[in-house]
Amino acid sequence: GAGVSQSPSNKVTEKGKDVELRCDPISGHTALYWYRQRLGQGLEFLIYFQGNSAPDKSGLPSDRFSAERTGESVSTLTIQRTQQEDSAVYLCASSPQKMTGGTANEKLFFGSGTQLSVL
Amino acid sequence: GIQVEQSPPDLILQEGANSTLRCNFSDSVNNLQWFHQNPWGQLINLFYIPSGTKQNGRLSATTVATERYSLLYISSSQTTDSGVYFCAVDPYNNNDMRFGAGTRLTVKP
Repeated sequence: GAGVSQSPSNKVTEKGKDVELRCDPISGHTALYWYRQRLGQGLEFLIYFQGNSAPDKSGLPSDRFSAERTGESVSTLTIQRTQQEDSAVYLCASSPQKMTGGTANEKLFFGSGTQLSVL
Repeated sequence: GIQVEQSPPDLILQEGANSTLRCNFSDSVNNLQWFHQNPWGQLINLFYIPSGTKQNGRLSATTVATERYSLLYISSSQTTDSGVYFCAVDPYNNNDMRFGAGTRLTVKP
């Protein structure tokens, strides 16, 4: 697609339920990121994928959070047993292939986010 | 980990005024980007600027990597410039982007 697509755009769930958020990156982008943004706050890094691998999972807040990516394309972020503090906008971004050695990183392109509300 | 500090946290301008937003970072970086988040939440990449100066219309940015800061200049501001401006950096040999807390800009007509 032309841009990064996220679904659903809004999700309301009850405390304790599991939710799955989806991200379709720009075609050909091998790097994919998930961020969380609470109301009025900055972006909190969750996880990064290079291809289908996640070299950096350090941002995942707890073991209730997991993410996977398949086919170097679609990624899903799963939150189990949701809590009210999980309420936030979850943003996905992609960028073209990263070079190793910390050179020539590329621009990030963001989706519109999924607004998650846990009641 | 790396610290990214943006200033000022809030800025209110009259339409037509100029402004400078600052981003300080605590470690060497090989990637620095500026983003604008509009009032509807959409994040738009403004500049990829690990060093040097770039200009795009009324916006320009300068990064002095050796002194660990970047500046975003907005000239002749318009109401559509309102929103939150984020600076994000990727430290050497890390592979993620870390964001500052942002500068919330309000441009009044």
